[in-house]
Amino acid sequence: GESVGLHLPTLSVQEGDNSIINCAYSNSASDYFIWYKQESGKGPQFIIDIRSNMDKRQGQRVTVLLNKTVKHLSLQIAATQPGDSAVYFCAERPSGGNTGKLIFGQGTTLQVKP
Amino acid sequence: DSGVTQTPKHLITATGQRVTLRCSPRSGDLSVYWYQQSLDQGLQFLIQYYNGEERAKGNILERFSAQQFPDLHSELNLSSLELGDSALYFCASSVETGKETQYFGPGTRLLVL
Repeated sequence: GESVGLHLPTLSVQEGDNSIINCAYSNSASDYFIWYKQESGKGPQFIIDIRSNMDKRQGQRVTVLLNKTVKHLSLQIAATQPGDSAVYFCAERPSGGNTGKLIFGQGTTLQVKP
Repeated sequence: DSGVTQTPKHLITATGQRVTLRCSPRSGDLSVYWYQQSLDQGLQFLIQYYNGEERAKGNILERFSAQQFPDLHSELNLSSLELGDSALYFCASSVETGKETQYFGPGTRLLVL
């Protein structure tokens, strides 16, 4: 079946350190992946995305890495700040059908200690 | 602020009742998506509309239905509500229907008592 799972349900890091959040996906037909951040009481907020023809993409303080061989996705946050504390979701979009259906992972809680 | 609006923010109702959730997409976006977020199921895709037409369906119950109007706003109708329907319901929108970013609204928190 289709599933996207996260390796670690909770990640605790010190302010200023780098964070790495991992995600395993099972649908090898997926060709588009997204990371969302969800703060308490808010909707998911887009962070960064990557297409399957890439293996790395960088944004402001964030980097997404895609390893299609082992179906693994990671989100790296540089110099983590207290404002980064949230739940992070990876999501995949299966190719074909020209729909935007997203399959979400269960989420990882990032806790940033001051 | 994503530009996607949802009303109401909170909704409390009783089992067996019917409710309507409303979503206005970002200006210019043609696709609207509905997701349900519950504690035990995470974020689950329900349904997608593109320019007024249903485009994709997920695990949406038969008691639930949606539509997208000519002005592109969408409504999600939930009927014969059960306790297990209590969840956060999110709407997202995107420009087209392919591999574009989906922007999420703030959600409607539904509590069925």
